[in-house]
Amino acid sequence: ELKVEQNPLFLSMQEGKNYTIYCNYSTTSDRLYWYRQDPGKSLESLFVLLSNGAVKQEGRLMASLDTKARLSTLHITAAVHDLSATYFCAVDIYGGSQGNLIFGKGTKLSVKP
Amino acid sequence: DAGITQSPRHKVTETGTPVTLRCHQTENHRYMYWYRQDPGHGLRLIHYSYGVKDTDKGEVSDGYSVSRSKTEDFLLTLESATSSQTSVYFCATLSTLAGMRDTQYFGPGTRLTVL
Repeated sequence: ELKVEQNPLFLSMQEGKNYTIYCNYSTTSDRLYWYRQDPGKSLESLFVLLSNGAVKQEGRLMASLDTKARLSTLHITAAVHDLSATYFCAVDIYGGSQGNLIFGKGTKLSVKP
Repeated sequence: DAGITQSPRHKVTETGTPVTLRCHQTENHRYMYWYRQDPGHGLRLIHYSYGVKDTDKGEVSDGYSVSRSKTEDFLLTLESATSSQTSVYFCATLSTLAGMRDTQYFGPGTRLTVL
């Protein structure tokens, strides 16, 4: 059974600080996805990581993928309040591109002044 | 925004009644999905479709059925709603176009309450 585990599940940060969210998964896959969800809203795609060693950056967020360790990280640099949201990672069940995703439980990030 | 709409957006129903949720997309995406989101569980895949009349079960399919008679519409039916099906339901589509490949887009969600 494919499992996707995120930690921490809750994260309270001060503005200007750095932190990393971890996503571990239990089966072979070279595709990993990161999403953001604001309260009461839908999911927004942040990053699609398609190979071992993939690194993508958008603003203060950087995601990386290590398929050998079955680990992805989402690094937050100099956090600002606007980054407060819940972040999900997801892995394709079949390790391919069919889009059948297993999601982690999410990391609720709160950035305080 | 992949032009995904869901209807209804909110619904309250009673145990034992059938309920149908609709997902409509305007992007001609071939792949479509239904997920449910519950506190502490993240999102879980219910059913998916790879094309018209081509559907299959996901992780939590018991008590649900789907149909896809047109590319743009994917219907989720709760045959006899139970309180455990109270949830927020999201539809998603997958673009397979070069440059947007693997990007899965989500609809706005339907909040369903079963009393």
